[in-house]
Amino acid sequence: GAGVSQSPRYKVAKRGQDVALRCDPISGHVSLFWYQQALGQGPEFLTYFQNEAQLDKSGLPSDRFFAERPEGSVSTLKIQRTQQEDSAVYLCASSPTDSYLGGTQYFGPGTRLLVL
Amino acid sequence: TQLLEQSPQFLSIQEGENLTVYCNSSSVFSSLQWYRQEPGEGPVLLVTVVTGGEVKKLKRLTFQFGDARKDSSLHITAAQPGDTGLYLCAGARGGSNYKLTFGKGTLLTVNP
Repeated sequence: GAGVSQSPRYKVAKRGQDVALRCDPISGHVSLFWYQQALGQGPEFLTYFQNEAQLDKSGLPSDRFFAERPEGSVSTLKIQRTQQEDSAVYLCASSPTDSYLGGTQYFGPGTRLLVL
Repeated sequence: TQLLEQSPQFLSIQEGENLTVYCNSSSVFSSLQWYRQEPGEGPVLLVTVVTGGEVKKLKRLTFQFGDARKDSSLHITAAQPGDTGLYLCAGARGGSNYKLTFGKGTLLTVNP
């Protein structure tokens, strides 16, 4: 069966460019999460969706970061005016249950973003 | 401030050796998870522990949750090259079970 997929797998952007990262969760999964993993670090929570509703965006580092999941399936993480400190792997995860049950999160392979 | 401290940060051992990695915090977690991440891939869940003092075994891997639910350990018996990877612990706190806080990880290399 298909797992979580992310595209592109690699992205090189010039400082100041806007980027859009896509996540296709496992079909039917209610919850979707975005994490940022800097080199040599563990993943850090960015935002959480339950279906199409963004219930928690407390981890987004600045207002340059925006995420959406308009139909409760595919999600896009957009970063405007990229900065060098945005260079990281962006991981998407999905879960079949809602937040209160704390179900298993299944991670995608990530998008490695390099900002020059 | 790192909420979850993992040690050691790096570990290189020979095939057949035993090892233990640790995950410590001053905070109480409602549950704690261990993941393994390989290069170019996302983390894969190994186990979830929820009860203080709980011990879970997964083949050669033994996971323990501290009595106070602030720390955990992962013990691998007779390590194999296939165990090589980044081991991450992640905690969830009551009321926000979905919001995982990860440690920095232990990078394990098992040499044949």
